[in-house]
Amino acid sequence: KNQVEQSPQSLIILEGKNCTLQCNYTVSPFSNLRWYKQDTGRGPVSLTIMTFSENTKSNGRYTATLDADTKQSSLHITASQLSDSASYICVVSGYYGQNFVFGPGTRLSVLP
Amino acid sequence: DGGITQSPKYLFRKEGQNVTLSCEQNLNHDAMYWYRQDPGQGLRLIYYSQIVNDFQKGDIAEGYSVSREKKESFPLTVTSAQKNPTAFYLCASSGRQGAENTGELFFGEGSRLTVL
Repeated sequence: KNQVEQSPQSLIILEGKNCTLQCNYTVSPFSNLRWYKQDTGRGPVSLTIMTFSENTKSNGRYTATLDADTKQSSLHITASQLSDSASYICVVSGYYGQNFVFGPGTRLSVLP
Repeated sequence: DGGITQSPKYLFRKEGQNVTLSCEQNLNHDAMYWYRQDPGQGLRLIYYSQIVNDFQKGDIAEGYSVSREKKESFPLTVTSAQKNPTAFYLCASSGRQGAENTGELFFGEGSRLTVL
């Protein structure tokens, strides 16, 4: 069964600290993996997208890694800001980039 | 600017009423999707359409209906048959993945439906 799991379910950190979110998947065949940020009550916004051949990609303070052999990805946030408080969703897609499978998300709270 | 527009953002419905959520995109995307989001759960697919005048059921289609008469529009009707319709509904679209298109999924801002 195609599944995407994320950990931790929720995380609280202090402003300025770094954190890492995890994503494990069993989706096969694999096309690409995306990380989205979703603010409360808003639609998700894409942070990064990685294909099979990519193992790291950065977008400002966000760095995603992908290990296609172990089917694991991580999202590292550097020097967190209050605006980073949101849910982070891992999405894996199969054939031709379609067949999207969503993880349940990690709820991140950044405190001053 | 290109994007996806959902309306209304908030909607209240009495039990037994049908309601229709609007989704319009100007990204020239072929594929459009409707998802339901409940607290603590991943997005669940209700319906999707990969071409005009064609759509397919997703994982939780019961109690919902859609139409795709135009490429830009994919409205969702929540019928009275939906047992627990209170949720956050997200519309999305994507282009075909190819050399110049990652097939990225773009989302609207969502519509929150509350049944009174």
